[in-house]
Amino acid sequence: DGGITQSPKYLFRKEGQNVTLSCEQNLNHDAMYWYRQDPGQGLRLIYYSQIVNDFQKGDIAEGYSVSREKKESFPLTVTSAQKNPTAFYLCASSIDKRTHNQPQHFGDGTRLSIL
Amino acid sequence: GNSVTQMEGPVTLSEEAFLTINCTYTATGYPSLFWYVQYPGEGLQLLLKATKADDKGSNKGFEATYRKETTSFHLEKGSVQVSDSAVYFCALRYTGGGSEKLVFGKGMKLTVNP
Repeated sequence: DGGITQSPKYLFRKEGQNVTLSCEQNLNHDAMYWYRQDPGQGLRLIYYSQIVNDFQKGDIAEGYSVSREKKESFPLTVTSAQKNPTAFYLCASSIDKRTHNQPQHFGDGTRLSIL
Repeated sequence: GNSVTQMEGPVTLSEEAFLTINCTYTATGYPSLFWYVQYPGEGLQLLLKATKADDKGSNKGFEATYRKETTSFHLEKGSVQVSDSAVYFCALRYTGGGSEKLVFGKGMKLTVNP
């Protein structure tokens, strides 16, 4: 079945450590997105990528980094510069920007906690 | 700018009750509108969508109509079930800076009791 796979489901980080969240899709979608979800705040866009080897900052990119070396993969690194990383992280994908009526498809999320 | 305002809840209903979740939006141009649902511990799933004024999206007994005159996209269901317990997000999609972006409301948690 086609879909978006995020791993791990739960992740723990020590202070000062970088961690990388994985996101893989086999939907052949061009665009991929990372969101952060905090209680009572809905979803906020961290980074997005419309095409391989290109990505753009979202609304809360500070303390995060991404790469898009392959169409299927869009890993997110939470760096030590992110002072409040505890949150639920959601990855999404969509076909391409020419079909703006198409929805984004979401993975099941990764919950990151600080030890 | 583009934004979405929705009822925040939480809301608790009894099974078979009528549900309305209000959603209003502010947008330039002609956005597409979506309702997503998030079950506990999972990601978001598309519930329904509408792409132009007066379109009605429907799925699993839920309905929402794109009302341009009132800039609204309220979600309704005539008879909720325990399995409808989840968080519901209203969202709009627009084109900005050459890219497509989704803007979400803050979500509303619904609990349905038997």
